[in-house]
Amino acid sequence: DAGITQSPRHKVTETGTPVTLRCHQTENHRYMYWYRQDPGHGLRLIHYSYGVKDTDKGEVSDGYSVSRSKTEDFLLTLESATSSQTSVYFCAIRRPGINEKLFFGSGTQLSVL
Amino acid sequence: KQEVTQIPAALSVPEGENLVLNCSFTDSAIYNLQWFRQDPGKGLTSLLLIQSSQREQTSGRLNASLDKSSGRSTLYIAASQPGDSATYLCAVKRMGMTTDSWGKFQFGAGTQVVVTP
Repeated sequence: DAGITQSPRHKVTETGTPVTLRCHQTENHRYMYWYRQDPGHGLRLIHYSYGVKDTDKGEVSDGYSVSRSKTEDFLLTLESATSSQTSVYFCAIRRPGINEKLFFGSGTQLSVL
Repeated sequence: KQEVTQIPAALSVPEGENLVLNCSFTDSAIYNLQWFRQDPGKGLTSLLLIQSSQREQTSGRLNASLDKSSGRSTLYIAASQPGDSATYLCAVKRMGMTTDSWGKFQFGAGTQVVVTP
């Protein structure tokens, strides 16, 4: 257990509304990631962070923004939710060292109607 | 751009049979490759990680091999059990020191495995 908590676990929202997903870690790791998972696509990187206030875009970042004001929290915001953003969102942390494995949260199921 | 492919997308085997799962990648300049298991409605659980300098890693009934030159990794699960039913994903971390490659992992779409009693 890597001490990763995602909230909320499920959310239903309407098109055009802003939505914020939260990822909280208890181990103070530097690298944190947001992925989305869709059938047939595997996991695709949205944004990642390599430290407080240090973030970078992934391959599917359009329509998403992130913030990291504290080491333990990484927020993902859908600025104006669209139906194409209906997905399962996963947060991950990477432990440092030679065996720098990824550890994932339990995910947030988001439905945009 | 690194492409990671897992074929087949789904696999069904009887209990006791050995499982062989494949992961192919297009760019051999990788830092490491990681295998994950995902149960329905759950997050991903790390199984094995192979560094680019290694050829295999073992953990219990699991063995993962890596052949960078051919762009392939194989996950072997010996004597499969119904509890091994899950989706298995591989992820590749690129080599490189630029911000474009730092910390980024490319995932395959996964192979869904069903082990029948």
